[in-house]
Amino acid sequence: AQSVSQHNHHVILSEAASLELGCNYSYGGTVNLFWYVQYPGQHLQLLLKYFSGDPLVKGIKGFEAEFIKSKFSFNLRKPSVQWSDTAEYFCAVNFMDSNYQLIWGAGTKLIIKP
Amino acid sequence: DAGVIQSPRHEVTEMGQEVTLRCKPISGHDYLFWYRQTMMRGLELLIYFNNNVPIDDSGMPEDRFSAKMPNASFSTLKIQPSEPRDSAVYFCASSVDNYGYTFGSGTRLTVV
Repeated sequence: AQSVSQHNHHVILSEAASLELGCNYSYGGTVNLFWYVQYPGQHLQLLLKYFSGDPLVKGIKGFEAEFIKSKFSFNLRKPSVQWSDTAEYFCAVNFMDSNYQLIWGAGTKLIIKP
Repeated sequence: DAGVIQSPRHEVTEMGQEVTLRCKPISGHDYLFWYRQTMMRGLELLIYFNNNVPIDDSGMPEDRFSAKMPNASFSTLKIQPSEPRDSAVYFCASSVDNYGYTFGSGTRLTVV
């Protein structure tokens, strides 16, 4: 069965630190890739997505992600985090063989210390 | 576009009562999803519809849960009877061709 793994359940950083959140998926076929963010007490919002083309994807609020097909990875990055980035981040993958049903990672809780 | 609209935002009910959660998807979206989120279990897909037809309800916890989509602009998730372990945030999401979802603001259900 297809699966999505997020390496860290909790990450704590200081403001201005660089961020990289890992996401790997267990399939070598056609996929679409997403990162969602959930701020405290709010709903999930789309941060960025990759369907095809340039594997380096720019999202909102200075986030970016790189699709590395050979590693089945789609890591989220931000060069300098802010306190307002404190949130939970979810990686999700559409797998073609599953009628593109979205499979979710378990989420990473990010806490930024002011 | 108003986005995915869920109601109510908060619901507090007593154990044994019937609870109905409502969702209006984005116009033109052909997929609708119901999710439940708890601290213990994270984000769980309960059921999803395509063109108003239920496709996969394997995530519905038990027979106390039911969902309907009578038309393209409305869906309900019903719990009868409700139990304290049903307390969670319930999200509705919609999408076009199952490519990425737009989520509603959620309904926070508390069963006492």
